[in-house]
Amino acid sequence: NAGVTQTPKFQVLKTGQSMTLQCAQDMNHNSMYWYRQDPGMGLRLIYYSASEGTTDKGEVPNGYNVSRLNKREFSLRLESAAPSQTSVYFCASGDIGYTFGSGTRLTVV
Amino acid sequence: AQSVTQPDIHITVSEGASLELRCNYSYGATPYLFWYVQSPGQGLQLLLKYFSGDTLVQGIKGFEAEFKRSQSSFNLRKPSVHWSDAAEYFCAVGPSGNTPLVFGKGTRLSVIA
Repeated sequence: NAGVTQTPKFQVLKTGQSMTLQCAQDMNHNSMYWYRQDPGMGLRLIYYSASEGTTDKGEVPNGYNVSRLNKREFSLRLESAAPSQTSVYFCASGDIGYTFGSGTRLTVV
Repeated sequence: AQSVTQPDIHITVSEGASLELRCNYSYGATPYLFWYVQSPGQGLQLLLKYFSGDTLVQGIKGFEAEFKRSQSSFNLRKPSVHWSDAAEYFCAVGPSGNTPLVFGKGTRLSVIA
């Protein structure tokens, strides 16, 4: 019963590099989410997927893309990383209350 | 539109003292309400939730919260705080249809001896 698994846990990127954050859930939830957390800003929704095959923008989608690969997996891609994307990223799943992963701490230099 | 306000950015309490964290929401109907806790370096963990029924809900770690419709509030309480309760606490409301939960900006709790 792993819940929500995120990889990697830490990453350092150079400006302009790309990377994909992976998220998988084993709770058979329809909905999955990607948030970023910055000091003083709380949690801000980047993208979400209400069901397999659908994705929608959240509050701060610019600079990101997502893929709902199947019901279990929801990935977040940074095509050309910028220092402003330095943050802690959380994946969550759930149809009413959410279960969160442990986060990815990303630094863009 | 849904919104959540946590008026206190940072609260410091003494170990053994009581605690109340405030949460006010704006929502068009009877909401689903949640409190989450985040320990340093960790993800968010669900403390408790309110869907309907009894307006006083019990959660994990000795926490409780009371839904007050007339005040649009869902305040979190604990009678006696332990040092291990030092963390950040988030209130959330929703979802509505396919609209995701809306989170407050959080209240950081410090516990002193």
